[in-house]
Amino acid sequence: AQTVTQSQPEMSVQEAETVTLSCTYDTSESNYYLFWYKQPPSRQMILVIRQEAYKQQNATENRFSVNFQKAAKSFSLKISDSQLGDTAMYFCAFMKLAGGGADGLTFGKGTHLIIQP
Amino acid sequence: GAVVSQHPSWVICKSGTSVKIECRSLDFQATTMFWYRQFPKQSLMLMATSNEGSKATYEQGVEKDKFLINHASLTLSTLTVTSAHPEDSSFYICSARLGTGYSPLHFGNGTRLTVT
Repeated sequence: AQTVTQSQPEMSVQEAETVTLSCTYDTSESNYYLFWYKQPPSRQMILVIRQEAYKQQNATENRFSVNFQKAAKSFSLKISDSQLGDTAMYFCAFMKLAGGGADGLTFGKGTHLIIQP
Repeated sequence: GAVVSQHPSWVICKSGTSVKIECRSLDFQATTMFWYRQFPKQSLMLMATSNEGSKATYEQGVEKDKFLINHASLTLSTLTVTSAHPEDSSFYICSARLGTGYSPLHFGNGTRLTVT
């Protein structure tokens, strides 16, 4: 079984600052994906960014980027030029790929990110 | 983009009754659907995986007889909470996937269940 650990229950930064959310995971699998999801107060799950384990290049989506360290099993999310709308819960998630199929997601406990005006 | 509709968005029921939650993929055929449970201020926990036309696979610790999952078509999966108790009160979220291997997961908006 795999585990996902987010060690920061809550973080608060000023608008326009850069913030990094940490995530570590433990798995014996070699073929997997990692994700960051955003959950605003509406509770809708919104995909922020994903990373394929076989890719060495870190994924980037506009203001969001990851630092994927496979050997260290670390997958941090950096948010640049943070905006008020970034305030939300952020979940790191792991998905195993096996036998032509894919499992459900294993989520970390989440980090509540607050962007202060 | 792909849409997953979950209904109802909230429901209140009396202890001992059963409640059905629907998860529909509106513009794609979902070969696999997943059901998650989220307690207040906590993470999402995978409850079960359902594939169209076959029995659901439940995660360890999830009672199969209490949480009945049916995936009768490629666009609809249902979760029925049977003989609900106050401790079943939670936020239930479904997600759907098209195809096998990696394909994007699409989440429903969730259902808030309150058992009185």
